[in-house]
Amino acid sequence: SSEVTQDPAVSVALGQTVRITCQGDSFRNYYASWYQQKPGQAPVLVLYGKNNRPSGIPDRFSGSSSGSTASLTITGAQAEDEADYYCISRDNSGRRYVFGPGTKVTVL
Amino acid sequence: EVHLVQSGGGLVQPGGSLRLSCAASGFTFSSYWMSWVRQAPGKGLEWVANIQQDGSEKYYVDSVMGRFTISRDNAKNSLFLQMNSLRAEDTAVYYCTRDSFLAVALDYWGQGTPVTVSS
Repeated sequence: SSEVTQDPAVSVALGQTVRITCQGDSFRNYYASWYQQKPGQAPVLVLYGKNNRPSGIPDRFSGSSSGSTASLTITGAQAEDEADYYCISRDNSGRRYVFGPGTKVTVL
Repeated sequence: EVHLVQSGGGLVQPGGSLRLSCAASGFTFSSYWMSWVRQAPGKGLEWVANIQQDGSEKYYVDSVMGRFTISRDNAKNSLFLQMNSLRAEDTAVYYCTRDSFLAVALDYWGQGTPVTVSS
């Protein structure tokens, strides 16, 4: 199956750690990539591959993968991390992409 | 610096057509797969289509197959999305994106262009 699932929403206290997960069979074959989207803005890539951050992305963002679950962890969440987060993987064809439904992260 | 600058969105009636454009700069456009992604109002991201470097391979999400056509002009560093037989459910912000070399990822995004299908 190409379906990807995510928790709809999570909250985290300022400075604490939060983990966002994506589940789907595709993660057994592909690493997820992760996107942060703030209201009214285009998404931004924050993590890709095994655990790689594009230039300019803080090192408090990290990734991991185990079986059919991919995870994005924010260690020491900041107010500016409040956003929607999406994961993406390939579908069964290996050519099309499938987004997760997104997780809204609230920083308290 | 990589830039993806989009144009061509707007209001169109159901059944109508619209062509989106994306002008790329700051990288060797002809070396990358490119994709279109959309986001309906208040909804999540949906990958729409992608195209291989030379345009020989194209893939679409099922909901747009047969109605949308992705294309590119490598001489003009431009990506296009021709949208025909538009439906209300195609209303969304459409993003042009670059497919990463390094991973299953869309590493650069355009600013987005709104498409509204309504009578």
